[in-house]
Amino acid sequence: EPEVTQTPSHQVTQMGQEVILRCVPISNHLYFYWYRQILGQKVEFLVSFYNNEISEKSEIFDDQFSVERPDGSNFTLKIRSTKLEDSAMYFCASSEGQGIGSPLHFGNGTRLTVT
Amino acid sequence: AQSVTQLGSHVSVSEGALVLLRCNYSSSVPPYLFWYVQYPNQGLQLLLKYTSAATLVKGINGFEAEFKKSETSFHLTKPSAHMSDAAEYFCAVSGGNTPLVFGKGTRLSVIA
Repeated sequence: EPEVTQTPSHQVTQMGQEVILRCVPISNHLYFYWYRQILGQKVEFLVSFYNNEISEKSEIFDDQFSVERPDGSNFTLKIRSTKLEDSAMYFCASSEGQGIGSPLHFGNGTRLTVT
Repeated sequence: AQSVTQLGSHVSVSEGALVLLRCNYSSSVPPYLFWYVQYPNQGLQLLLKYTSAATLVKGINGFEAEFKKSETSFHLTKPSAHMSDAAEYFCAVSGGNTPLVFGKGTRLSVIA
């Protein structure tokens, strides 16, 4: 069964550094998402992406964050200048369509640790 | 706007016992409700979803959930727990074309 793959599984970075989290969505999916989960807290929506542009974003997704689909297969999340509070598990997801008829398929996540 | 509350961050049951994981939701529009499961070192996997058809929804691995509008609940149950059910379970709600809103998750432990 096709899977969403995320790399790396664990990223350690120093505060103030830029990080790029990478995702390869399922090939025929058109909608892409990033969620994050701070340890012990809820899984939170960050951003959704469709047709090469952001379709929706949460208040968490500020100017420090950006997303890109650089080559038609990868979907990346960039954090420009990491803060300690960015430490979390970041999940990428994709769906074939939008709405409840198209469930989200999640990757295994990237654990980001900011020191 | 939608929100989800999962009661109990950790539930422990004996193998063969009933599993009951609680989820209450809040939604300003008719909700669509989901349960996801996360096994160690894996992503979130869809267990089942409620989409305004039957109120009792059956999912994978013997799990089911019942939508109760009067109680704003969508509790997940399984009649007999198996060791392989040990995982983190997330309830989520959507307004249709709105992003999924997740609960904090409930860790299920199964004791032999």
